[in-house]
Amino acid sequence: DVKVTQSSRYLVKRTGEKVFLECVQDMDHENMFWYRQDPGLGLRLIYFSYDVKMKEKGDIPEGYSVSREKKERFSLILESASTNQTSMYLCATWGNTGELFFGEGSRLTVL
Amino acid sequence: GENVEQHPSTLSVQEGDSAVIKCTYSDSASNYFPWYKQELGKRPQLIIDIRSNVGEKKDQRIAVTLNKTAKHFSLHITETQPEDSAVYFCAASRWRDDKIIFGKGTRLHILP
Repeated sequence: DVKVTQSSRYLVKRTGEKVFLECVQDMDHENMFWYRQDPGLGLRLIYFSYDVKMKEKGDIPEGYSVSREKKERFSLILESASTNQTSMYLCATWGNTGELFFGEGSRLTVL
Repeated sequence: GENVEQHPSTLSVQEGDSAVIKCTYSDSASNYFPWYKQELGKRPQLIIDIRSNVGEKKDQRIAVTLNKTAKHFSLHITETQPEDSAVYFCAASRWRDDKIIFGKGTRLHILP
């Protein structure tokens, strides 16, 4: 079974803080994704990566950056958290069969 | 870029009846169309997918149809059961070559 692990299930941060959300996968998949999930807005793509040190912007990259120094790890960074970044963040990898495997999600609250 | 529209946003059907969720996409180069189910408090999971070289695919009570000309695809669930209650997302992409873009989701309620 593919395992996608997100480091934090729940986080509470203050406005202006730097936030790191980490995602680790154990299947040697090349493609990794960060989505944001908000009620009524579905799953919106923030950033994705095809390989180590490669990254591509998704539909809503503003206010976020990413890092992929190792194939198994894909980190989402909020340089200066704002209240409108309060959300559920989902990491996913793209398996060889085409299936996206999601992590359990990280629920971030920015006060 | 790709844009995926999904309707309806909420759907209530009587147990045992059928449910249909429809999606349209904008990028004619998209050729892979998966459907994900997300139960309350859980992560999305793939339930069925279709590639553009076929028009229909079926897996037990679930079927997906694709109309490439009209750029729309649909999920059909027959003989609905309580465990079908969930949020369903359609998505579109170029197979293994691009990002996967999701619709906004449909919350399906199965009424007893």
